[in-house]
Amino acid sequence: DSGVTQTPKHLITATGQRVTLRCSPRSGDLSVYWYQQSLDQGLQFLIQYYNGEERAKGNILERFSAQQFPDLHSELNLSSLELGDSALYFCASSGGLAEETQYFGPGTRLLVL
Amino acid sequence: GENVEQHPSTLSVQEGDSAVIKCTYSDSASNYFPWYKQELGKRPQLIIDIRSNVGEKKDQRIAVTLNKTAKHFSLHITETQPEDSAVYFCAARNSGYSTLTFGKGTMLLVSP
Repeated sequence: DSGVTQTPKHLITATGQRVTLRCSPRSGDLSVYWYQQSLDQGLQFLIQYYNGEERAKGNILERFSAQQFPDLHSELNLSSLELGDSALYFCASSGGLAEETQYFGPGTRLLVL
Repeated sequence: GENVEQHPSTLSVQEGDSAVIKCTYSDSASNYFPWYKQELGKRPQLIIDIRSNVGEKKDQRIAVTLNKTAKHFSLHITETQPEDSAVYFCAARNSGYSTLTFGKGTMLLVSP
């Protein structure tokens, strides 16, 4: 167990809908990262938050957004869902900007029908 | 930005053999290189990492080597066991950022 939690574990929804994925980092970690993992794909970095502020953006679609709250948990919002958004979504956390090691949560499996 | 290439995409070995997975990176400023193991349907788990001021690091049956000049690093697993079967990902971190760029992964299958 990495200490990073994610809810829900599974999510099934329809095209056009909007969902929210939640992540709680390890105790004391300030940075949260979101990744998307599709079939036969590696880990695609989406976005990073550090202590409530957006820090870095990767291949995140405009339909997706995220935020990090004062208690350091983070939410990833996916809207106008398409079939191709079906994937495993992981969040990871690390202690801070200088700490390199990222610890991954168990992931949320999203299926868009 | 950083680009990480990983080879091979699949690797089949017999139990007890060694396995080697290789990665190359593009940004010479990258200074941290972790390796993650991901079992089917599970989270990626860090198994070993190396920083740019070190050429080699070993942890029991797992070792990582880094060649900064050639910009490549490799994962070596000796005396492989069936439980080593998983997808392995390499990654690189640029010194100016805390984000990681991952390779596409290597599926390792260890046959008894």
